[in-house]
Amino acid sequence: NAGVTQTPKFQVLKTGQSMTLQCAQDMNHNSMYWYRQDPGMGLRLIYYSASEGTTDKGEVPNGYNVSRLNKREFSLRLESAAPSQTSVYFCAIEPGTSGRAWNTGELFFGEGSRLTVL
Amino acid sequence: AQTVTQSQPEMSVQEAETVTLSCTYDTSESNYYLFWYKQPPSRQMILVIRQEAYKQQNATENRFSVNFQKAAKSFSLKISDSQLGDTAMYFCAFMKLGLYNNNDMRFGAGTRLTVKP
Repeated sequence: NAGVTQTPKFQVLKTGQSMTLQCAQDMNHNSMYWYRQDPGMGLRLIYYSASEGTTDKGEVPNGYNVSRLNKREFSLRLESAAPSQTSVYFCAIEPGTSGRAWNTGELFFGEGSRLTVL
Repeated sequence: AQTVTQSQPEMSVQEAETVTLSCTYDTSESNYYLFWYKQPPSRQMILVIRQEAYKQQNATENRFSVNFQKAAKSFSLKISDSQLGDTAMYFCAFMKLGLYNNNDMRFGAGTRLTVKP
């Protein structure tokens, strides 16, 4: 899994509960991403972080918050879970450290976290 | 906004045969990348092949090759000599060429490929 670890792998929540998905990399790459995967819709970007301390919204950020307190970890938080957030969540990294100007799009993904909100 | 369309939800192929997965996209950008990612039953997403839009030559990676038609905005994946391990969900993806902190990758809905023995 190219050094990308997601926890937990499975979680069941009740509507209104909160939880945090954790993602950690064992390398020193700048860019980290959170995607959600839903049947028939492919992957959609929730948030991404180009470097430690910076985060930006993706295509579907509503209902989520993220935190990139250090280079290794990028967490995704659901403050008040809703059934519409039932999904499989993937963390990804894009290899590269400081000094490069352009994206390459070659992402390495974690194994995914299946979240069910009842 | 860019959109990526995969019109084949499911496909199957006999082992050792060739199969082509289709992908079309819509964009007004002139510089971008296109990708095919594979997701086997283990759920791990793996990059199969990448194409830079400014390159006329079609990308190849062993048994995997693409047919990139920029004017038609078409990007199909051909898998030759299919193997059982090729059974997976395949996603086509688009990303415009941009500054390092400006990722905007869009995925298609996916094609589920089954390789039959």
